[in-house]
Amino acid sequence: AQSVTQLGSHVSVSEGALVLLRCNYSSSVPPYLFWYVQYPNQGLQLLLKYTSAATLVKGINGFEAEFKKSETSFHLTKPSAHMSDAAEYFCAVNRDDKIIFGKGTRLHILP
Amino acid sequence: IAGITQAPTSQILAAGRRMTLRCTQDMRHNAMYWYRQDLGLGLRLIHYSNTAGTTGKGEVPDGYSVSRANTDDFPLTLASAVPSQTSVYFCASSRSGGATPTDTQYFGPGTRLTVL
Repeated sequence: AQSVTQLGSHVSVSEGALVLLRCNYSSSVPPYLFWYVQYPNQGLQLLLKYTSAATLVKGINGFEAEFKKSETSFHLTKPSAHMSDAAEYFCAVNRDDKIIFGKGTRLHILP
Repeated sequence: IAGITQAPTSQILAAGRRMTLRCTQDMRHNAMYWYRQDLGLGLRLIHYSNTAGTTGKGEVPDGYSVSRANTDDFPLTLASAVPSQTSVYFCASSRSGGATPTDTQYFGPGTRLTVL
């Protein structure tokens, strides 16, 4: 059954540094993958999604993710972190026509 | 533009009491979902509905019930609340649910529930 694993429940980066949030999936068939972001005291909102059209997916707020089948990964990156990126990020996969979320990674931005 | 509204925003409830969390969407989405979010566990699906008149069980359905009498509303009921149901509850919707697995889910602001 499809699932996702997020490596690191907390990640800290300095403002202006590269952001890398890791997500690995397990799936016997090509998956549909998502990254959602949750800002403090808010619901989740979609950052980007992989639908098999292109392996490099660009999302909102300068984020992007690359689907790598050989590594079963869908890591989220942003070249330069901003203080407003501090949030919790969830990787998710479609399974049985429902979305299954990872446990989340909280991103801290250091001034 | 309202999107999804949830009520109440927060609630403290005595164990054994009945509670209904309300969720309304104005996007005419077919599918709606209820999740609970707990520290270290991410979001877990409680119940879902792919279209008005139908519902299904998610990953953690025990102790919860839902109904979908119309497209816009999807209430979640705790018949007899227990402390382990203390959580933040999120309602979500998507345009077509199971028919389109790449559909984006849109989330409400959440209800923080504490059961004592």
